[in-house]
Amino acid sequence: DTAVSQTPKYLVTQMGNDKSIKCEQNLGHDTMYWYKQDSKKFLKIMFSYNNKELIINETVPNRFSPKSPDKAHLNLHINSLELGDSAVYFCASSQERDGSSYNEQFFGPGTRLTVL
Amino acid sequence: GNSVTQMEGPVTLSEEAFLTINCTYTATGYPSLFWYVQYPGEGLQLLLKATKADDKGSNKGFEATYRKETTSFHLEKGSVQVSDSAVYFCALRDFYNQGGKLIFGQGTELSVKP
Repeated sequence: DTAVSQTPKYLVTQMGNDKSIKCEQNLGHDTMYWYKQDSKKFLKIMFSYNNKELIINETVPNRFSPKSPDKAHLNLHINSLELGDSAVYFCASSQERDGSSYNEQFFGPGTRLTVL
Repeated sequence: GNSVTQMEGPVTLSEEAFLTINCTYTATGYPSLFWYVQYPGEGLQLLLKATKADDKGSNKGFEATYRKETTSFHLEKGSVQVSDSAVYFCALRDFYNQGGKLIFGQGTELSVKP
């Protein structure tokens, strides 16, 4: 069984469109994240949710809106897509019950978004 | 703020060569340090981690030691294989100073030739 899954794997769309990426984890974790990987492979946190509550919100345009319907899901909705949004988006999850820095984050396979 | 710097890639080695990928960090608190690996077309997998000074993380023949005095966490492997070709990311996490986010280095691409 896949631990952290994302859909779709590839997403090609036109500028100005609105799209969503879905993430699900079956690990029973309480915290989920979205990371963005640019064309140079650089990875940066976008958002983090703990028990459906937003706890990290980096400097991300408000066109990006995460939604967590329950602990196992964290979706990313993007409005008015721009060329610069083209990237690979990774979902991750971890168990943060004890608030330790060494808790492992498990990553999904990524969604490659291409905006034309 | 906290940051991670890795050596520039790509690194190209012959099979059975010795590997070192340098990683240094800047942190205000007491972070945990990680190495993640990304194989082509896949997500990131944890390779190894260390939680405090002088800890050594190891997995699949890879090792890294948390050196507080030099703020480093260099990745080493004695004999690389073609299957080790991937992008390697050094990362730190300081839960109390910056929440749960991982802060990554820029990644180092490794290519191992037969």
